[in-house]
Amino acid sequence: DAKTTQPPSMDCAEGRAANLPCNHSTISGNEYVYWYRQIHSQGPQYIIHGLKNNETNEMASLIITEDRKSSTLILPHATLRDTAVYYCIVRVVDYQLIWGAGTKLIIKP
Amino acid sequence: EPEVTQTPSHQVTQMGQEVILRCVPISNHLYFYWYRQILGQKVEFLVSFYNNEISEKSEIFDDQFSVERPDGSNFTLKIRSTKLEDSAMYFCASTPESSYNEQFFGPGTRLTVL
Repeated sequence: DAKTTQPPSMDCAEGRAANLPCNHSTISGNEYVYWYRQIHSQGPQYIIHGLKNNETNEMASLIITEDRKSSTLILPHATLRDTAVYYCIVRVVDYQLIWGAGTKLIIKP
Repeated sequence: EPEVTQTPSHQVTQMGQEVILRCVPISNHLYFYWYRQILGQKVEFLVSFYNNEISEKSEIFDDQFSVERPDGSNFTLKIRSTKLEDSAMYFCASTPESSYNEQFFGPGTRLTVL
């Protein structure tokens, strides 16, 4: 079973920051936090990953709490094309990605 | 930008028939994966493949499933005798030299078993 808990759905206004929370209270020291998204039954798309430091790339920022029990994915300026299901996954290197149900993010004009 | 490709995009087959789903991973990638997603459900890991052998597989990946990298470019998933419950989207993914890097997914093959 997935080791993460995410809200089933969220709305965000276009142009605003979308903040997607994830709880992973049982995370182990060697597990990374990954975020992927899936736009309407297309192949999943990698967004970002991190171990304990905050990370930023051209798509998003990942904020991991100091105790590593939760994280937040931030899409700084959401567009309609960001409407998708967002998956938070914890994973040990070399092991499989275990997917949960994700958060369905709807960006509204 | 290089991408993972999968063929066919949609495969319809009769129960009990064998199917082969094909994937062309990104050319310099070394780790390969198959996932499936039953309609409306979550993505499920099937198998990972590295250095010409299976490195990890899930409970779903039973004796009816096999994977092969027959040449330097293709990566295939074979289902020997399809069942109705094998109907799903099947996604192939690949990763560069380090397996903790991002996985690049293909567009998927929709398999319908009648």
